[in-house]
Amino acid sequence: DGGITQSPKYLFRKEGQNVTLSCEQNLNHDAMYWYRQDPGQGLRLIYYSQIVNDFQKGDIAEGYSVSREKKESFPLTVTSAQKNPTAFYLCASRNLVEAFFGQGTRLTVV
Amino acid sequence: AQSVAQPEDQVNVAEGNPLTVKCTYSVSGNPYLFWYVQYPNRGLQFLLKYITGDNLVKGSYGFEAEFNKSQTSFHLKKPSALVSDSALYFCAVRDRLGGSGNTPLVFGKGTRLSVIA
Repeated sequence: DGGITQSPKYLFRKEGQNVTLSCEQNLNHDAMYWYRQDPGQGLRLIYYSQIVNDFQKGDIAEGYSVSREKKESFPLTVTSAQKNPTAFYLCASRNLVEAFFGQGTRLTVV
Repeated sequence: AQSVAQPEDQVNVAEGNPLTVKCTYSVSGNPYLFWYVQYPNRGLQFLLKYITGDNLVKGSYGFEAEFNKSQTSFHLKKPSALVSDSALYFCAVRDRLGGSGNTPLVFGKGTRLSVIA
C-alpha cells in the first residue's frame, strides 16, 4: 500500500451531487496522481500534481476538480458535470522512479 | 507521446506451466518500464521495474521481465505459474526525458491472468 490512504473505500452519490474523494500520503512525495479505472480500459489519468499549489489536467479531467494545498493531500472532487462517474478511482504518489498506489475508492451513482 | 500496448485481454495457463504476459511500448527517448499487479477491488502493487542496466529484471513473487529495445517490448514472465498469480496485470511506461521527472506513468489496458489448477 506504500503509505497512501484513500477514503472512503465505497462511496454512493446521487445524481447532481458533488462528492470528494480523499487521498493522503506520508511518503514525502512531491508528485501525486488521480486515475480512473473502468473495465477493459485500464487506468486513465484525471489530474496530477507535481508540487504543492500546482496541478495539471490529465486525459479525462472534464467533470473533476482537485486541490493541492498540502504536500500530503490531493483530494479529488467529482462534480455534477461528470456524466458517467461510476468507476474505481485510484490515487498514487511517486518518487523519482516508482509509483505507489492507494487501495482505491469505488464510486457508484444511485 | 508515450503509449503502452498489452495485446492480450486474457491469458490462461495451467498451474506449474510457464507464463508470459506481453507488453510493447512507445516513447520518444529511453523508457522507464514497470509491471504492476491488481487483485479485485484493490490498488496496484508494484512487481518490477526496468531503469537501466541488465535487460532481464527480476521482481517480486518470482516474476521477471526482459527489456528488448529493438522490439520495444517488456514482457512479463514466470517459470512456473501458481493459482494465486491469477490477477490483473498492468504494464506502464515513462519517458526518461519527461521534463521535471514527475510526469505521469502511462498504463496499458491490462491483461487478466487466469491460472488453472
